[in-house]
Amino acid sequence: EAGVAQSPRYKIIEKRQSVAFWCNPISGHATLYWYQQILGQGPKLLIQFQNNGVVDDSQLPKDRFSAERLKGVDSTLKIQPAKLEDSAVYLCASSVQGAGNTIYFGEGSWLTVV
Amino acid sequence: GIQVEQSPPDLILQEGANSTLRCNFSDSVNNLQWFHQNPWGQLINLFYIPSGTKQNGRLSATTVATERYSLLYISSSQTTDSGVYFCAVNDYKLSFGAGTTVTVRA
Repeated sequence: EAGVAQSPRYKIIEKRQSVAFWCNPISGHATLYWYQQILGQGPKLLIQFQNNGVVDDSQLPKDRFSAERLKGVDSTLKIQPAKLEDSAVYLCASSVQGAGNTIYFGEGSWLTVV
Repeated sequence: GIQVEQSPPDLILQEGANSTLRCNFSDSVNNLQWFHQNPWGQLINLFYIPSGTKQNGRLSATTVATERYSLLYISSSQTTDSGVYFCAVNDYKLSFGAGTTVTVRA
């Protein structure tokens, strides 16, 4: 079974530029998550989708971050404009149905903002 | 939201040693998972354990939901066990602790 796929793995951008990350969850998984992990900290949930609807985006900085999952399968997370403090690993994860099931993570997209 | 505390923050072990990692949480949960984050950043599921005890090879975990804690045991540690161990709990969303960084020396 294929795991959660993410791209790109690494990205370096200048502040005020934009960046987009892509995620393809495990086939059949209805729930998709985007987490932000800053070095030395635990992952923080940015947004959770159930199919193509948003379940929780309370910690998403909506002035600069946006995410979509238009067809209920793959998802894109965008940052525009980027700030230095956005340097982090962006982790995509999926589960069959909600956070009451085992959650599987992708390898992450490492972002450095200079 | 629910608070998750992990201890100790750092652990240095000699190869072959045993250790216990602890996770305390502030409220009732319906899901608790332990993850291992390898040096390349990948988070690997170790256990889905909202209650009870599970074992997988040299690793085992116990969750006492009524007392709001979980323990992860590593026996006969190996250098490949190095990395960060996270506990994550779910009320309506999965919240992570700050992790325990484990270094196993040969």
